[in-house]
Amino acid sequence: KAGVTQTPRYLIKTRGQQVTLSCSPISGHRSVSWYQQTPGQGLQFLFEYFSETQRNKGNFPGRFSGRQFSNSRSEMNVSTLELGDSALYLCASSWGTGSYNEQFFGPGTRLTVL
Amino acid sequence: GENVEQHPSTLSVQEGDSAVIKCTYSDSASNYFPWYKQELGKGPQLIIDIRSNVGEKKDQRIAVTLNKTAKHFSLHITETQPEDSAVYFCAATDGGGADGLTFGKGTHLIIQP
Repeated sequence: KAGVTQTPRYLIKTRGQQVTLSCSPISGHRSVSWYQQTPGQGLQFLFEYFSETQRNKGNFPGRFSGRQFSNSRSEMNVSTLELGDSALYLCASSWGTGSYNEQFFGPGTRLTVL
Repeated sequence: GENVEQHPSTLSVQEGDSAVIKCTYSDSASNYFPWYKQELGKGPQLIIDIRSNVGEKKDQRIAVTLNKTAKHFSLHITETQPEDSAVYFCAATDGGGADGLTFGKGTHLIIQP
């Protein structure tokens, strides 16, 4: 069974630009969660999508948004990039909604904002 | 919201010895506690988890213990091997998903040959 895939793996952007990251969950998984990982703040929850609906959202500004398609693939968008948005963005998929379901992480997208 | 503290931040042990990583959580409603291992350049990988109705769980060389009264849980790795070198994260959640998983800051485990 193929794991969670994320594209692109690396991305370099400049301040003020916007970026879209993509995540394909494990086949059969309907929930996709997004996390931001930085050396200072560690792993922080961004949001969760299940059946094309955002179920939960972490404490991030509105510049961070996402969506989920009917095939469960998900995209995350960050607008008006800031230097502090440089991070590893991880998505995790699970069979059901709710963080008590076993979550499988992808390799992440390394975003660098210059 | 939930807050998870993890100690130590770095742990160096001799190959073959045991390693113990400890975490405490703040929200008594938390009921699911997974542990993840992250190797360089990869995403976190679930290695073991425990739910609040269980006090201990073991899987080969890895075990996790949970003390709900004291609100702490620990990861135990016995007979450590070089491939155990990685960053380990504990996490907690009340299962409702409102805050997703709340992670500790991680422990860099170094296995000395």
